Amino acid sequence: EDKVVQSPLSLVVHEGDTVTLNCSYEVTNFRSLLWYKQEKKAPTFLFMLTSSGIEKKSGRLSSILDKKELFSILNITATQTGDSAIYLCAVEAQGNMLTFGGGTRLMVKP
Amino acid sequence: DGGITQSPKYLFRKEGQNVTLSCEQNLNHDAMYWYRQDPGQGLRLIYYSQIVNDFQKGDIAEGYSVSREKKESFPLTVTSAQKNPTAFYLCASTVRGDQPQHFGDGTRLSIL
Repeated sequence: EDKVVQSPLSLVVHEGDTVTLNCSYEVTNFRSLLWYKQEKKAPTFLFMLTSSGIEKKSGRLSSILDKKELFSILNITATQTGDSAIYLCAVEAQGNMLTFGGGTRLMVKP
Repeated sequence: DGGITQSPKYLFRKEGQNVTLSCEQNLNHDAMYWYRQDPGQGLRLIYYSQIVNDFQKGDIAEGYSVSREKKESFPLTVTSAQKNPTAFYLCASTVRGDQPQHFGDGTRLSIL
């Protein structure tokens, strides 16, 4: 059975802090790993990672995948209150089917 | 604008009642998915469809049914057999290939 585990479950930081969110997985026929941000409604897509060691970056957010150790991290630098959300990690195995982790709830205090 | 539309935003179900959640997309995506999200948890796959007139069960299909008669529509029926239907339901779609799934804004279902 495919499995995705995220840590920590929740995190409270202050504006300006840097955070690292973790995602480990055990899946057969791995194709890609995705990160989503969920505020109140629809998860919005952040990154799709398919290759080990290649960092993807978008503004203050970055992510990297390690296919040997089966994990990914999502970094957010200089956090802002608008970064407060649930961050979801998902792994695509086959047929565009995603297995999601339980999410990390991030709260950024002013 | 292209996107995924779910309706209604909020839905209440009485005991023994079937209810249907709507999901429509105008992105010309082939594949569509239904997920359930419980408080403080990730998403779990209920059903998915990769092509019109074909669909497969996901991890938690019991008590649910779907149809895919048109490419742009993938309604989900929560039947009376689903004993714990209170949850947030999300619909997603994608083109085939290495593209991420995009989500609708969800329907929150509660029991009266």
